[in-house]
Amino acid sequence: SYTLTQSPSVSVAPGQTATITCGGDDFEDKNVHWYQVRPGRAPVLVVYDDDDRPSGIPERFSGSNSGKMATLTITRVEAGDEADYFCQVWDARGDLHVLFGGGTKLTVL
Amino acid sequence: QVRLQESGPGLVKPSETLSLTCIVAGGSISSASYYWGWIRQPPGKGLEWIGSVYFSGTTHYNPSLKSRVTVSLDTSKNQFSLKVNSVTATDTAIYYCARMTVDYWGDWGQGTQVTVSS
Repeated sequence: SYTLTQSPSVSVAPGQTATITCGGDDFEDKNVHWYQVRPGRAPVLVVYDDDDRPSGIPERFSGSNSGKMATLTITRVEAGDEADYFCQVWDARGDLHVLFGGGTKLTVL
Repeated sequence: QVRLQESGPGLVKPSETLSLTCIVAGGSISSASYYWGWIRQPPGKGLEWIGSVYFSGTTHYNPSLKSRVTVSLDTSKNQFSLKVNSVTATDTAIYYCARMTVDYWGDWGQGTQVTVSS
């Protein structure tokens, strides 16, 4: 079955750049989306369609898709960015239409 | 700006049915532009898609849950619901309702904690 692979954790100091990756097959045929999940809050879409940003999301958040790997990059990291980040794709070929990666915990040191 | 709010019991007994409702404000669930769905996060684990429903009533479910899950619309109240039958402790999770645009979830509810315990 199709799977998305994320590293469990990433740690960065404030002001530095955080890079969160999501691995999968045939990414060139898929749009990758990214969500920020913080305890007690509604999840937030931070990047959609590989590299688009919803209104209200700071320019510090950006995404890319190389075909085998999708990347979420957060520049000038702030304490408030500490959260779990999940990638997601839509897989029309299988029965599991909506697939999430396992999540990456971003810790701001 | 659409707003989604989950409601339902926070505690369900094993083998019983978990029932949640998502109240939608600021947008119509009868719109052909969106799917409406449920996603959960068990403690210490990642997000898991449960199922989705379209304005026409068409549904799609996670194959691992399909035999126990029903997602349905109530257009008269502008809300949609989730039922999970025969729950066990593994169904303990934060349950989110959300709206899907094309193939991503652009709007989410705050989430509601559901614990399965006797």
